[in-house]
Amino acid sequence: DAKTTQPPSMDCAEGRAANLPCNHSTISGNEYVYWYRQIHSQGPQYIIHGLKNNETNEMASLIITEDRKSSTLILPHATLRDTAVYYCIVRVRNTGFQKLVFGTGTRLLVSP
Amino acid sequence: NAGVTQTPKFQVLKTGQSMTLQCAQDMNHEYMSWYRQDPGMGLRLIHYSVGAGITDQGEVPNGYNVSRSTTEDFPLRLLSAAPSQTSVYFCASSLAGELFFGEGSRLTVL
Repeated sequence: DAKTTQPPSMDCAEGRAANLPCNHSTISGNEYVYWYRQIHSQGPQYIIHGLKNNETNEMASLIITEDRKSSTLILPHATLRDTAVYYCIVRVRNTGFQKLVFGTGTRLLVSP
Repeated sequence: NAGVTQTPKFQVLKTGQSMTLQCAQDMNHEYMSWYRQDPGMGLRLIHYSVGAGITDQGEVPNGYNVSRSTTEDFPLRLLSAAPSQTSVYFCASSLAGELFFGEGSRLTVL
């Protein structure tokens, strides 16, 4: 199963873009990159996912490198409510079963 | 829609007691799973299910049992609670890939 590596913590000023990196150098061709976040002991929240192409939704943008060994989640205008732990996850497939393996994530602190 | 509902939200047990954490979803999702989260750690997969009648073990299954008799429900059973099972438990369901999580059940085993 492909594993991910994220920095343990990052800081960002309110209103600025937050760029959260993730390395997944052993990702397989049919595995997706997913991003979730967890705001202070709440249940994790789905943000975005992608396979090869860059993706954007109302919450964030996902940039995946051409070799797919790393990706970056971009929060274009971070707010205080974006303070959370962000998880980068590679989707594991095993004979049709699906499960996601979570790591320790990046703790993003957005400051005024 | 209620989404994923977990009960109870808080529970205190004594060592050796048994209990069941309930999880229900109303989105007709085939996939359901249980995670535990300990302080300073990420989520670790306990058990998961890809449909009614089918379950499988995750990363940390010891001490836990599950069953999936209906699409909606996926209870997690602790047969003989241990202090090492003190944790926050999250249930999640999924249809196509992205997970929808419940609000968590905080369990303390004394």
